[in-house]
Amino acid sequence: EAAVTQSPRNKVTVTGGNVTLSCRQTNSHNYMYWYRQDTGHGLRLIHYSYGAGNLQIGDVPDGYKATRTTQEDFFLLLELASPSQTSLYFCASSRDINTEVFFGKGTRLTVV
Amino acid sequence: GDSVTQTEGLVTLTKGLPVMLNCTYQTTYSPFLFWYVQHLNEAPKLLLKSSTDNKRTEHQGFYATLHKSSSSFHLQKSSVQLSDSALYFCALRTNAYKVIFGKGTHLHVLP
Repeated sequence: EAAVTQSPRNKVTVTGGNVTLSCRQTNSHNYMYWYRQDTGHGLRLIHYSYGAGNLQIGDVPDGYKATRTTQEDFFLLLELASPSQTSLYFCASSRDINTEVFFGKGTRLTVV
Repeated sequence: GDSVTQTEGLVTLTKGLPVMLNCTYQTTYSPFLFWYVQHLNEAPKLLLKSSTDNKRTEHQGFYATLHKSSSSFHLQKSSVQLSDSALYFCALRTNAYKVIFGKGTHLHVLP
């Protein structure tokens, strides 16, 4: 099965802090995604990419930056973290847009 | 714009009964729909998918039919089991080449 690895799995930071969430997939997938999951909101797309160096804006991008440095690696950056960004973050990948999306195990971020 | 709507937040059923979880969508592109299941403390996983109008697709006892006339892709199972208790997401491939998810429906199966 396709592998998507996220790190760290848990993170606590202070308001105004700088946080980087990492994601690596070893499936040679083209598409990678960052979602946040919150009760009552489901999964919301933050940013996505369809190849190294490519970046597309998702539905809830405010306060987040992302970089796709290689085919395998996709990073989510919170440069001035706020309590509203406390959430469960999932990275995911897919071979193309009509194929299965494989999710990582998630990163629980708490901003205090 | 593109959207996915799941109407029920929580569905509670007794084991052995049938279930239908609703999903409707809006898109100007040719629809491609997915159902994902997320068990407690796990990542979402694909349950089934379809882009073919009026054709039933099945997996692990669950089934769904894409109806373009009513913009629906409801998930059904004829007899739920305790292990089916989970969060179910309907998702849509959009014309912006991204996948968007509904808010999810919690299915709670009672003994």
